Amino acid sequence: DAGVIQSPRHEVTEMGQEVTLRCKPISGHNSLFWYRQTMMRGLELLIYFNNNVPIDDSGMPEDRFSAKMPNASFSTLKIQPSEPRDSAVYFCASQGGANVLTFGAGSRLTVL
Amino acid sequence: AQSVAQPEDQVNVAEGNPLTVKCTYSVSGNPYLFWYVQYPNRGLQFLLKYITGDNLVKGSYGFEAEFNKSQTSFHLKKPSALVSDSALYFCAVRDPGNAGKSTFGDGTTLTVKP
Repeated sequence: DAGVIQSPRHEVTEMGQEVTLRCKPISGHNSLFWYRQTMMRGLELLIYFNNNVPIDDSGMPEDRFSAKMPNASFSTLKIQPSEPRDSAVYFCASQGGANVLTFGAGSRLTVL
Repeated sequence: AQSVAQPEDQVNVAEGNPLTVKCTYSVSGNPYLFWYVQYPNRGLQFLLKYITGDNLVKGSYGFEAEFNKSQTSFHLKKPSALVSDSALYFCAVRDPGNAGKSTFGDGTTLTVKP
């Protein structure tokens, strides 16, 4: 298995632009998580899905953030419009029956 | 509610010496406990977990951790540190009744000096 695949690895955009981050979880894992990591706030859980259904989105900072999981093999995190304070590394992770999270390599977002 | 505390932002040890990275937790039920490691510009990687059974858990790269219920701790240990162990370490806890949601500590930066 190739692990959790995230794209893009790096994104530089200007304030006000729409950003879409993508994630392909490990096949057979039934839970998917989106985290954000910054120096100031550490690792924050934004939202997670179980069997493609959003379970807890209380960590999504604002309505500018939205996430979807249309099927078991794909999820997106969208920021519209983006702001400089959204600059961070965004991680996707999937979890199967062993209760262990497998993280992707992350998407580093810079909003100018 | 569940929470995790890693009281040390940074731990420095000399190569060959034993290392300990501390973690305490709070959870309403019996906890699932995890350690993850993050190398620069990489995602977090699983090291070890405690679900049930023996309180001493052995994991990857020679690391181990001891579950102490009375002290609500799950400290990460290694008998002999390597320079390559230098990384950011995260402790995480999950209440089994919390539908899969883990809470992570703030992380501890381990630096092993030659």
